[in-house]
Amino acid sequence: AQKVTQAQTEISVVEKEDVTLDCVYETRDTTYYLFWYKQPPSGELVFLIRRNSFDEQNEISGRYSWNFQKSTSSFNFTITASQVVDSAVYFCALSDSQTGANNLFFGTGTRLTVIP
Amino acid sequence: GAVVSQHPSRVICKSGTSVKIECRSLDFQATTMFWYRQFPKQSLMLMATSNEGSKATYEQGVEKDKFLINHASLTLSTLTVTSAHPEDSSFYICSAREARGGGVIPDTQYFGPGTRLTVL
Repeated sequence: AQKVTQAQTEISVVEKEDVTLDCVYETRDTTYYLFWYKQPPSGELVFLIRRNSFDEQNEISGRYSWNFQKSTSSFNFTITASQVVDSAVYFCALSDSQTGANNLFFGTGTRLTVIP
Repeated sequence: GAVVSQHPSRVICKSGTSVKIECRSLDFQATTMFWYRQFPKQSLMLMATSNEGSKATYEQGVEKDKFLINHASLTLSTLTVTSAHPEDSSFYICSAREARGGGVIPDTQYFGPGTRLTVL
C-alpha cells in the first residue's frame, strides 16, 4: 500500500537558517506524482510543487528547492534563508493509481517554526 | 490562477441543525472536487470525491447520509452536514482538480481556505 512518511513532527529554526523537510514515500506504481503543500496558521493549503515519477530533476523556486531521489524514495524540501513567514505546517503527498483518480495520500505534516 | 473559495469560513451552529458549505473554483473548471476533514494538529482525511454531474464517492467510514455532497456544476460543490452534532466539529477543506489543463497544472488539487465548523 502507498505510504508517505514525514518523520519530523516539528522543527524550529532561527530566521535566516536553512532547513530541510524530509519526505519518504512508498508505492508499487512506476507512475506517480509527489506534492508539497504549505498550510499556514490561516488553514488554507497552498500548493508548492508537483513532481512526476519520471522527472528526477531537482527544482529551485526562489528560496525553495526540492530534491527528488527515486533510489531512496525521498522527496525532500529545503528552504534557504528561512523567514518568519515560512512558519507553517508542510505536507508531502503522493498520488498514484492505488489512491484512485489522482486522490492524494498525505503525510502527517511537519510543523516548521521560524524564530525571529 | 487556480483559486478555490469556500464559504462560510467559520460557522457555529446548534446540535441538530444542518450546515451547508460551498466550494467554488473561481478561475478554472473543476471536473473533480474533493472534501477533506482535518482535526487539530492532524493530517487531512479524505471524506469524498465528487465529479460534476454524478454521485459522490465516499471513503470508508464516512456516512453519505450525514455528509451530503452535491457537485452540480463545474465550479461549485457543496457539502451539507445534516443533523450536526458536537463530534462533527472540525475543519473542513475542499479542493478542486482540473484534469485537462486550461491554465492550471492538470491533475493537481488546489485547496480552498477551509471552513471551521463548531457544533454546540
